[in-house]
Amino acid sequence: EAGVAQSPRYKIIEKRQSVAFWCNPISGHATLYWYQQILGQGPKLLIQFQNNGVVDDSQLPKDRFSAERLKGVDSTLKIQPAKLEDSAVYLCASSLRLGLAGQETQYFGPGTRLLVL
Amino acid sequence: SQKIEQNSEALNIQEGKTATLTCNYTNYSPAYLQWYRQDPGRGPVFLLLIRENEKEKRKERLKVTFDTTLKQSLFHITASQPADSATYLCALEGSARQLTFGSGTQLTVLP
Repeated sequence: EAGVAQSPRYKIIEKRQSVAFWCNPISGHATLYWYQQILGQGPKLLIQFQNNGVVDDSQLPKDRFSAERLKGVDSTLKIQPAKLEDSAVYLCASSLRLGLAGQETQYFGPGTRLLVL
Repeated sequence: SQKIEQNSEALNIQEGKTATLTCNYTNYSPAYLQWYRQDPGRGPVFLLLIRENEKEKRKERLKVTFDTTLKQSLFHITASQPADSATYLCALEGSARQLTFGSGTQLTVLP
């Protein structure tokens, strides 16, 4: 079974530039998550999709971050414009269905490491 | 406010010993608690899930306990090996029905 795919793996941009990350979840997984992981911290949920609908985006800085999941499969996370504090690893994860978050196993991709200069 | 705390200091142990990692939480009433492993440059990998009515769960050399009175979970790796060196994250469901992760404990097993 193929895992969660993400690209690019690394990205370096100047502040105020825009950047986009792509995620392809495990086939058949209805739920997709985007997390931000700052060095030395645990992953922090940014947005959660069930199929192509948003379930939770309460921690997404909507003035600069946007995400979409067209056709309920692949997803794109965009930052525009980027700030220095956006430097982090952006992780995509998927799970089979939307049940209680605590009982769902999440499968993570390798992440995209973003450095904003 | 809700908080999850893991050993803030990195943990170094000798090969063959038992590693014990701690996850404490406040202002949560989780029905489930999960443990993940994260290697450098990789995403977290699920290890174990324990339910609130389970006191202990085992998987090979791993053992997790869950004390809802103390609001604490302990994660044990017995007969530790250098390959067990990684960061271990605990995670639980918060009031917003999302999985919230602790900051992790970095474990190094010395040969």
